[in-house]
Amino acid sequence: SAVISQKPSRDICQRGTSLTIQCQVDSQVTMMFWYRQQPGQSLTLIATANQGSEATYESGFVIDKFPISRPNLTFSTLTVSNMSPEDSSIYLCSVAKGLTLGYNEQFFGPGTRLTVL
Amino acid sequence: SQELEQSPQSLIVQEGKNLTINCTSSKTLYGLYWYKQKYGEGLIFLMMLQKGGEEKSHEKITAKLDEKKQQSSLHITASQPSHAGIYLCGADGVDAGGTSYGKLTFGQGTILTVHP
Repeated sequence: SAVISQKPSRDICQRGTSLTIQCQVDSQVTMMFWYRQQPGQSLTLIATANQGSEATYESGFVIDKFPISRPNLTFSTLTVSNMSPEDSSIYLCSVAKGLTLGYNEQFFGPGTRLTVL
Repeated sequence: SQELEQSPQSLIVQEGKNLTINCTSSKTLYGLYWYKQKYGEGLIFLMMLQKGGEEKSHEKITAKLDEKKQQSSLHITASQPSHAGIYLCGADGVDAGGTSYGKLTFGQGTILTVHP
């Protein structure tokens, strides 16, 4: 398995500000992802965090709003920029362990609960 | 894109009862994951199924993937209050060569309540 930590665990922010969420894994992993879970909803993939290169974003998510960094194989950050109340969600990072070919076990961090006022 | 439908959406059972949650896909499932989530928290990995007909068990939870790889079920035997939470199925996406993208699409979740 993988031990994943996220900081902060929760935050309350004012609209128009930005928040950076950190994700730290206890071992090197092949892939890291960022998901959003809006209130009462299931998880939606925001982007794949690529080590040493730009993140790959899913439809509906853009780099200007959700800039992502991944400087090494154990760490990534997600920034929620120019926040509005609609950004209030739980943000979760996940990691895939194993080879890129075939299917990997995927583990999730504890999440960051963001409330935007 | 792949869509996953879970049923039921919510389930209330008495402690000790057995229960089943289903996850049906619009496309072939190449990697099917089951997670449990406590309200407002992260996801706990339960099991991953890859092959048609595969079945895995952990403690009192059994997950199966049907032969056609379009439906999975999660069965809990002799439920306990500790089993309460939201159960989510997630499907992996693959390219034409069968390489996993590692990007999961999730069902809407099943809320399980277990009364003591």
